Amino acid sequence: QVQLQQSGPGLVKPSQTLSLTCAISGDSVSSNNVAWNWIRQSPSRGLEWLGRTCYRSKWYNDYAVSVKSRITINPDTSKNQFSLQLNSVTPEDTAVYYCARSRGHLDYWGQGTLVTVSS
Amino acid sequence: QSVLTQPPSVSGAPGQRVTISCTGSSTNIGAGYDVHWYQQLPGTAPKLLIYGNSNRPSGVPDRFSGSKSGTSASLAITGLQAEDEADYYCQSYDSSLSGSGVFGGGTKLTVL
Repeated sequence: QVQLQQSGPGLVKPSQTLSLTCAISGDSVSSNNVAWNWIRQSPSRGLEWLGRTCYRSKWYNDYAVSVKSRITINPDTSKNQFSLQLNSVTPEDTAVYYCARSRGHLDYWGQGTLVTVSS
Repeated sequence: QSVLTQPPSVSGAPGQRVTISCTGSSTNIGAGYDVHWYQQLPGTAPKLLIYGNSNRPSGVPDRFSGSKSGTSASLAITGLQAEDEADYYCQSYDSSLSGSGVFGGGTKLTVL
């Protein structure tokens, strides 16, 4: 059974960097037939897909146009996890952030982390 | 607003059948991308309900079914139960957004 465990701070100051980690058990971040995603949810924006990383003989990343200039998703094969970094955050980035595995569909999700952007 | 359009709310009495629509365009559902459906109970992460337009993961009751036609998809729930009261989201991909994942705005199902 695949499990995803999220960790990271729940409060970030405006203009700083939001950083979250998603630890994977029951699968490998280097699996060839899945992708590892970050999604966020807020009352104003609903569910918003942010990006993904996947391994297909080499690493690939895809990012949502809305955050492409500010986002980085990195795999960590030594710890079997992947991370999200979102730079230059504003209060508009306040949301519940989820990591999830996908095979087209998002079949396993992390527990969610409420991140508030506030001074 | 969301790339995929869902009704904000639907309701039905126990035992009844309800449907939730998900309308897209020629760059997402109409382009041939599969539609997936998720159920979200309050305070929890979304849970996969239907994948690949009409397939149920193990453990999902056959009261839930999905279909797709043209630029739209639908989720049907028969034999409505109180525990089905939740938010439901459709999801696909969009070629005009470089293949990004896209979601519907969500539909709140109320069991009367």
